[in-house]
Amino acid sequence: DVKVTQSSRYLVKRTGEKVFLECVQDMDHENMFWYRQDPGLGLRLIYFSYDVKMKEKGDIPEGYSVSREKKERFSLILESASTNQTSMYLCASSNPGGQPQHFGDGTRLSIL
Amino acid sequence: GESVGLHLPTLSVQEGDNSIINCAYSNSASDYFIWYKQESGKGPQFIIDIRSNMDKRQGQRVTVLLNKTVKHLSLQIAATQPGDSAVYFCARDGVGYQLIWGAGTKLIIKP
Repeated sequence: DVKVTQSSRYLVKRTGEKVFLECVQDMDHENMFWYRQDPGLGLRLIYFSYDVKMKEKGDIPEGYSVSREKKERFSLILESASTNQTSMYLCASSNPGGQPQHFGDGTRLSIL
Repeated sequence: GESVGLHLPTLSVQEGDNSIINCAYSNSASDYFIWYKQESGKGPQFIIDIRSNMDKRQGQRVTVLLNKTVKHLSLQIAATQPGDSAVYFCARDGVGYQLIWGAGTKLIIKP
């Protein structure tokens, strides 16, 4: 089975802090994705990556950056956290064919 | 614009009955559709997918129906069980490997 592991289930940070969310997949998938999920808004794509050191903006990249130094690891970075970035963050990966995407269990991030 | 929408935010079904969750889409060029189940506190879990060259696909207790004429997708769950309680998302292919997501339908199972 595909396993996507997100480093933290719950995280509390303060406004202005730099925040790192880590995601690791064990299936040698080429594609990795970061989403945020908010009530009533479904899943919104922040960034995705097709390969190592490669990244593409999704629908809501503002305030975020990403890093993919190794194939199995995709990091989401909040450069200066703000309260409107309080959300559930979901990481996913998929094989070279593109679908389906396999998800981790999410990180619930609170910015105070 | 491109979108995938769900008809109902909440669906209540008697345990043992069949559940039908509906989804509409606007882009007739869509080629790939997928259903996910998300239980409380977990990430979305892949259920079943279907390509546009098919009308129906069956899995274990689940069936996905695709009506391209009216741009409608449905997920049928047979003999609904308490473990089926979750939020169900439909999604379709977007640009590249992206997915366009619906907002979700919450399935509630009545005992």
